[in-house]
Amino acid sequence: AQSVTQPDIHITVSEGASLELRCNYSYGATPYLFWYVQSPGQGLQLLLKYFSGDTLVQGIKGFEAEFKRSQSSFNLRKPSVHWSDAAEYFCAVGVSNDYKLSFGAGTTVTVRA
Amino acid sequence: NAGVTQTPKFRVLKTGQSMTLLCAQDMNHEYMYWYRQDPGMGLRLIHYSVGEGTTAKGEVPDGYNVSRLKKQNFLLGLESAAPSQTSVYFCASSWTGPPYEQYFGPGTRLTVT
Repeated sequence: AQSVTQPDIHITVSEGASLELRCNYSYGATPYLFWYVQSPGQGLQLLLKYFSGDTLVQGIKGFEAEFKRSQSSFNLRKPSVHWSDAAEYFCAVGVSNDYKLSFGAGTTVTVRA
Repeated sequence: NAGVTQTPKFRVLKTGQSMTLLCAQDMNHEYMYWYRQDPGMGLRLIHYSVGEGTTAKGEVPDGYNVSRLKKQNFLLGLESAAPSQTSVYFCASSWTGPPYEQYFGPGTRLTVT
């Protein structure tokens, strides 16, 4: 069965420190990969996406993610976290023959001063 | 462009009452989706539509109905609300081609007492 796993439910990071959020997927076909961010009380905003080409993709707000086919992973990173990055982050996966996306359960990021 | 809008933003219903959530998009997207978000479960697809006049069931369709009479609008109905339908509901839309990135509305917080 197809699935998306975000192993970390909650991460706490100090402001200015680096952040890495993990995402693993189980799909038979070539995936399309997305990271979304949800600030408290808001909808989901697309941070970045991968569907072909360079496996390191840059997104908004200083985020980047790397697709590793051999590990079935698409981890999100940010070198220096700001207090405004406190939010919930969702990994989502789609495949070329299906327009529906599957979402992970989300990782909540808390930023401490 | 307003993007994807949802009305209402908040609603409290009593068990057995009915209501309709409205989603509107001004991006001329063909595909539209309704999700529910519950703590620790990510987003689960309720119903979706691949064009005006079409609807299809998603992962958790029971207790909900939908209609897509106009391309820009996608309505989600609860005929007889139950406490298990207390959730945050998100509407999204996407283009017809890959990678099918979805654009989300701000959400509707529904409480059923």
